[in-house]
This record gives sequence, structure tokens and C-alpha cells, in this order.
Amino acid sequence: GAVVSQHPSWVICKSGTSVKIECRSLDFQATTMFWYRQFPKQSLMLMATSNEGSKATYEQGVEKDKFLINHASLTLSTLTVTSAHPEDSSFYICSARDRRWENTEAFFGQGTRLTVV
Amino acid sequence: KQEVTQIPAALSVPEGENLVLNCSFTDSAIYNLQWFRQDPGKGLTSLLLIQSSQREQTSGRLNASLDKSSGRSTLYIAASQPGDSATYLCAVKGGDTGTASKLTFGTGTRLQVTL
Repeated sequence: GAVVSQHPSWVICKSGTSVKIECRSLDFQATTMFWYRQFPKQSLMLMATSNEGSKATYEQGVEKDKFLINHASLTLSTLTVTSAHPEDSSFYICSARDRRWENTEAFFGQGTRLTVV
Repeated sequence: KQEVTQIPAALSVPEGENLVLNCSFTDSAIYNLQWFRQDPGKGLTSLLLIQSSQREQTSGRLNASLDKSSGRSTLYIAASQPGDSATYLCAVKGGDTGTASKLTFGTGTRLQVTL
């Protein structure tokens, strides 16, 4: 099956610093990628939809200036958490669909555990 | 706004039992429904995908059904094993077309299969 690679798998950073998370589709091209956030023992909440070559679409309540998304190619999207604070500590997961098949399953990265200290 | 609910929130069964996980959604205008498995601290593994026009899908010991009109799906796991212990999530894809349409996730069912 299709593979989505997310890097890093975990990161610890100091308050006030920025952290970049990468999401790559390894064997398919994705016009659109999705970024989710998951708090402990809770479900996934969509943060934003990343569109190749254009601006991301953010869900209500998600700060655009804090969670910067760049989708520069059909195989790579990045999420940068700027000026991170302890409350940003969470599990971040990306997903993507093959651009050729609109009704296929979504493939997910392995997630990134962010801890802000 | 689509809302997806899963019942039960947690389930513990002895090895060998058959079990059913439930998923309900409020807006029946969906494109498809997907069941995932998530191990602690890990990403999601897709188990089954059911298109809106389908009634069920099977893969090994797993069988998922979909009743779109009533907004329900079930995941049936036969002859459960300790390795099945994980959180199971269902997610529905919005009714609008295209790869950009979102998935809305359920609250998850934490399954523990004991020896």
C-alpha cells in the first residue's frame, strides 16, 4: 500500500522555539495533505488542509500564524509550530490521498510526538 | 457539521471472542467510511474502506458494514487475539467530491483482548 512518511517521530523543544514537521508521500503524488492533532486518549482533530502550490485551509479555531503550513511539492508538506508553548505539546499526524483517485483511502504518517518544555 | 460517535469507548474481552464495534454519524451524505487501527503512540493503519454505495467489506477476520441511511457502521472482529488490542477509529469522508474532502473521526474504541 501507499506510504506516508512523517519526520521526526518525536521532538522535544524549549518554549519559544519553532519546530518543523515533515510529511512525505513516498510512492504517490498528493495534491492535498491533511494535518491532525491528537490529545491523549482523544480522537484526531483536523487542523488544516494543505494544498500544493497554494495557501492552506485552516479549521476554525486554529491559528494560522502559529501553525505554518507549506506544501511546496506534490510529495511534501511541512507544518511549523512557531513560538511553541507547553500547551502545544501533542501528537501531530499527517495524511494524504493519491491525487489520481479521489475516492480511495487516506494514508497516514506515523505521527510526531511534540513535547514543549 | 458532521459528528461521529463510537460505542463503546472501551472494551475488554477474553481471547477468542467475537466482538462488534459501533460507529454512528449524523450526516448521511458521505462519500466513504474508513476503519483504522491505532496502537499507543503510533500513527493510523487503515483496516477497511467502504464506499457509500457498498454495504460491507471484509478482510481476514474483519468485516465492516455500512448503513448509510441510518448513519451507522459496525466493525466485526472474529476470534479476537491479544494482538488485536488497540484503539479502533472510524472516519467518514465528506460528501463533496475530490481528494480535498475531509475525514471526520470518531471518538474511538479502546479494545483490550486478554489471555
